[in-house]
Amino acid sequence: DTAVSQTPKYLVTQMGNDKSIKCEQNLGHDTMYWYKQDSKKFLKIMFSYNNKELIINETVPNRFSPKSPDKAHLNLHINSLELGDSAVYFCASSPRGRGKGSTEAFFGQGTRLTVV
Amino acid sequence: AQTVTQSQPEMSVQEAETVTLSCTYDTSENNYYLFWYKQPPSRQMILVIRQEAYKQQNATENRFSVNFQKAAKSFSLKISDSQLGDTAMYFCAFMKISLINAGKSTFGDGTTLTVKP
Repeated sequence: DTAVSQTPKYLVTQMGNDKSIKCEQNLGHDTMYWYKQDSKKFLKIMFSYNNKELIINETVPNRFSPKSPDKAHLNLHINSLELGDSAVYFCASSPRGRGKGSTEAFFGQGTRLTVV
Repeated sequence: AQTVTQSQPEMSVQEAETVTLSCTYDTSENNYYLFWYKQPPSRQMILVIRQEAYKQQNATENRFSVNFQKAAKSFSLKISDSQLGDTAMYFCAFMKISLINAGKSTFGDGTTLTVKP
């Protein structure tokens, strides 16, 4: 009964390949995100979706394409993988706060992507 | 844009003692949340504590408490009676509250805390 689950946990792939990371939350939250944590542990938001609609798209290469088939799922597809894409990618979701926007993020366990 | 600064990259504390992690932030917003997240070696990001800016009372969660100074834009985390399981990286985070909030959090760079036996 994992709240936010992402698959796979580990992904090793060669440069130039296309890969996807899946994320599902069973918390009934409206908002979902993708965060990237680099080798220095810096955590940066990539995308935010609210009810399947893209709300935030930070400065991320267009090789990264999120897709939200329904509000419980937010998948991340990456084309033409590069060495610099190696990182841990976290999916997260947030409940609605007291009538205004979202509150804290509930994170998945992360996907460690290694591009070789 | 909001910024979050954690000035202590690494800290250590003896088991059972108290430690305080510092966090400052910069924003022109009046309504926002502040969070502390913990990331142990397992990599899982876990919410430790949440503070709503409109609340003057400092949030507490068992051994974890915050010192929220809104005017000074400071949000420190105090861990009392430190335990070995508290060893982790701790992130301070800021989130604006708005009707169209997409829940974007801005994270500090983290403080690695080591609890020594």
